[in-house]
Amino acid sequence: DAGITQSPRHKVTETGTPVTLRCHQTENHRYMYWYRQDPGHGLRLIHYSYGVKDTDKGEVSDGYSVSRSKTEDFLLTLESATSSQTSVYFCAISNRGRENIQYFGAGTRLSVL
Amino acid sequence: SQQGEEDPQALSIQEGENATMNCSYKTSINNLQWYRQNSGRGLVHLILIRSNEREKHSGRLRVTLDTSKKSSSLLITASRAADTASYFCATDSYNNAGNMLTFGGGTRLMVKP
Repeated sequence: DAGITQSPRHKVTETGTPVTLRCHQTENHRYMYWYRQDPGHGLRLIHYSYGVKDTDKGEVSDGYSVSRSKTEDFLLTLESATSSQTSVYFCAISNRGRENIQYFGAGTRLSVL
Repeated sequence: SQQGEEDPQALSIQEGENATMNCSYKTSINNLQWYRQNSGRGLVHLILIRSNEREKHSGRLRVTLDTSKKSSSLLITASRAADTASYFCATDSYNNAGNMLTFGGGTRLMVKP
């Protein structure tokens, strides 16, 4: 999984609790992305980062926040988890260039009860 | 909303047969990419075709792009059981300040031994 580590790999939590997912890369890529994957919806972009402290919203950003204080780490926080946020979350990285090929982590399976 | 839509959603074939899956999209693109996802894993980049290309080959993969119809197809020849996976198209569009890819819902391919 191309120098990308997601943690934790699995998490079960209760509605209303805060949750933070971590993505760590060793490739020194500039761009980092958080997606969620749900049956029938494919991959949907939550937030992305184009540099340290530079982030922006994606298609489904409500209820999520992100932070990037170092090139290698991109954190996704669910401030108050809801059952609708039960999903598989993927981090991806890219160096953009001309082709914008993205490299994905192994995913975090989150269940909100 | 999804830029790319794959067809069919699911495909079951015998080992040795060819598998064809299609992707349609809505807006102008810089390039179109295909990714594979094995069960429980992250997406892996397979092949990229630029908007000024019509066909591209990589091993047993053949990708075509018809920008007039806003469609692409992925052909896997002489399929193997190991090709069993979900396949996603992703588009990299113009006016894409966020350097984002937009993914389709995927085609689930099962190759029976």
